[in-house]
Parts: sequence; structure tokens; C-alpha cells
Amino acid sequence: DVKVTQSSRYLVKRTGEKVFLECVQDMDHENMFWYRQDPGLGLRLIYFSYDVKMKEKGDIPEGYSVSREKKERFSLILESASTNQTSMYLCASSFATGFNEKLFFGSGTQLSVL
Amino acid sequence: LAKTTQPISMDSYEGQEVNITCSHNNIATNDYITWYQQFPSQGPRFIIQGYKTKVTNEVASLFIPADRKSSTLSLPRVSLSDTAVYYCLENTGGFKTIFGAGTRLFVKA
Repeated sequence: DVKVTQSSRYLVKRTGEKVFLECVQDMDHENMFWYRQDPGLGLRLIYFSYDVKMKEKGDIPEGYSVSREKKERFSLILESASTNQTSMYLCASSFATGFNEKLFFGSGTQLSVL
Repeated sequence: LAKTTQPISMDSYEGQEVNITCSHNNIATNDYITWYQQFPSQGPRFIIQGYKTKVTNEVASLFIPADRKSSTLSLPRVSLSDTAVYYCLENTGGFKTIFGAGTRLFVKA
């Protein structure tokens, strides 16, 4: 089974802190994604990566950056955390971009910024 | 904006068959239809995927009519543990795949 592991289940940070969310997948997938999920807004794509060192902005990249130095690891960085970044963050991976692509998600990180 | 339309919520009782219908009136020729399930405090999980006609696996069945403008996810004999949010998506590729609000299914004893 594909496993997507997010390093933290819950995080509490202070406004202005730099925050790192880590995600690792064990199935040699090319594509990795970061979403945030908020009540009533569904899942929104922040960034995705289709290869090592490659990244593309999703729908809501402002205030975030990403890093993909190795194929299995995709990090989301909040340069200066703000209270409106309090959310559930979900990492996902997929084998290849195609019309029958399937996304595999981690369990999520619930981030609270105080 | 999500390109699919599905009911916001549904209620059912244990042992019943549940059918959740999704509308995708402008689906592109190459798009597949994919359904995901999400439990509280977890990430979505792939359930089933199809292009047309009927697909069945150990979890659910998916019915897609010839015009492909809608699809129906069928869950046989639901249990309390099937209480979750179910998302219907047009698969245009991961970074273009849009998750809408989904259908919140509540199964009662």
C-alpha cells in the first residue's frame, strides 16, 4: 500500500514563526501536492511538484513556499505564520499526471497559529 | 470552482443501499470520474474511478450513463463506519483536479 506520511499530526505556532511541514511518500511517485482544507471551502491546492526541484503554484500559494530536494519528500514552508493560516494541511502524491490519476493522501497536519 | 455538483448531505440507516449522484455537465472527453471518501481528521481516500458504464470493486459501484453528464456512487448495505464526506471529481490531472464541498453522508443506527 502507498504510504504518505506527514511529520506532525498537530502543530501550534506563534504568529511570525517560520513553520515547516514535512511529507514523505514511499511509492516513488513523481507528483506531490500540498492542499489546505477549511470548513466550507473544501480542499484548495497550494503547491504541487511533478519532479525533484520542480514546483508549480496552485490556487492559493501566497504566504507559502515549498521544497523538493528528494523525490520522496515534499516540504511546505510558511515563511512567517499568520493566524489566517490556521488550517488542516494535507499532502498527497500520485504516480503520474493523467486522466485516470489517483491521489494518495496523508492523514493531515492540523496547524494552529496563535 | 468545482466543476461537479453533488448534494451537500444525505442521511441513511444501517443496512440500506446509498446512492450519491454527481452532475458533471461539461465533462471533457478524456476526463475520468473519480470518487474519494474522507473521514473526520483524515485525508481523502480513493474509492473508485470510471470512464463510462459500470465499475465495481470491493467498496462500491460506479454507474456512468452513456452521455457521461452524471455519475452515481452506490454503497451497498452501509454501516455506521461509512459516515464520511464523499467527493466526486472530474479527473483532468492532479494539479487540475478540483475538490468541491462533497456530500456528507450520515449513517444512523
